[in-house]
Amino acid sequence: DTEVTQTPKHLVMGMTNKKSLKCEQHMGHRAMYWYKQKAKKPPELMFVYSYEKLSINESVPSRFSPECPNSSLLNLHLHALQPEDSALYLCASSPQIRTGTDTQYFGPGTRLTVL
Amino acid sequence: GEDVEQSLFLSVREGDSSVINCTYTDSSSTYLYWYKQEPGAGLQLLTYIFSNMDMKQDQRLTVLLNKKDKHLSLRIADTQTGDSAIYFCAESDDKIIFGKGTRLHILP
Repeated sequence: DTEVTQTPKHLVMGMTNKKSLKCEQHMGHRAMYWYKQKAKKPPELMFVYSYEKLSINESVPSRFSPECPNSSLLNLHLHALQPEDSALYLCASSPQIRTGTDTQYFGPGTRLTVL
Repeated sequence: GEDVEQSLFLSVREGDSSVINCTYTDSSSTYLYWYKQEPGAGLQLLTYIFSNMDMKQDQRLTVLLNKKDKHLSLRIADTQTGDSAIYFCAESDDKIIFGKGTRLHILP
């Protein structure tokens, strides 16, 4: 089973709302990732968790707050977003973070629209 | 810095072979990947090749790697309408670097 699941599939929120994106994998992977993808662009890395600890934060604004409650779950908490944050948010996982050796498996994404 | 380049658009007649090309700059990449993204969907890992391999075949997919020229290609044999998607080439060292994606359009 190489499935990464994400909920919700679509999310519309106002700039004053607080919402969360969820990601789950049951492959025993110890590294999990959040990416942001704008239309017709490649995914851009936001955060990396390794063994439930934040390993990489690609200078993401604090209105995005990641959380890894356990090895299977990854959340992205959203607060006071801007319309330009509208995008497809992709979660991925890989067995570990090891230089260049671990294949990442992606979820279907959450399509976020900020009004 | 690391960079991955690929053409943005490819148009192929149904039943023909599609060849999507990619060049990369980081010679230390251990794995190189091809991901497929259908409209509105996430990325699907199609195949990957280890950097010490020249070729990998998986059913209709053939990946060729020229490490000297840092050139990677994906050949899809007998292209079908379901192959219509964006194909991302990617390399990984400490993180994945994606190309901008090649949109494959299938002509009837």
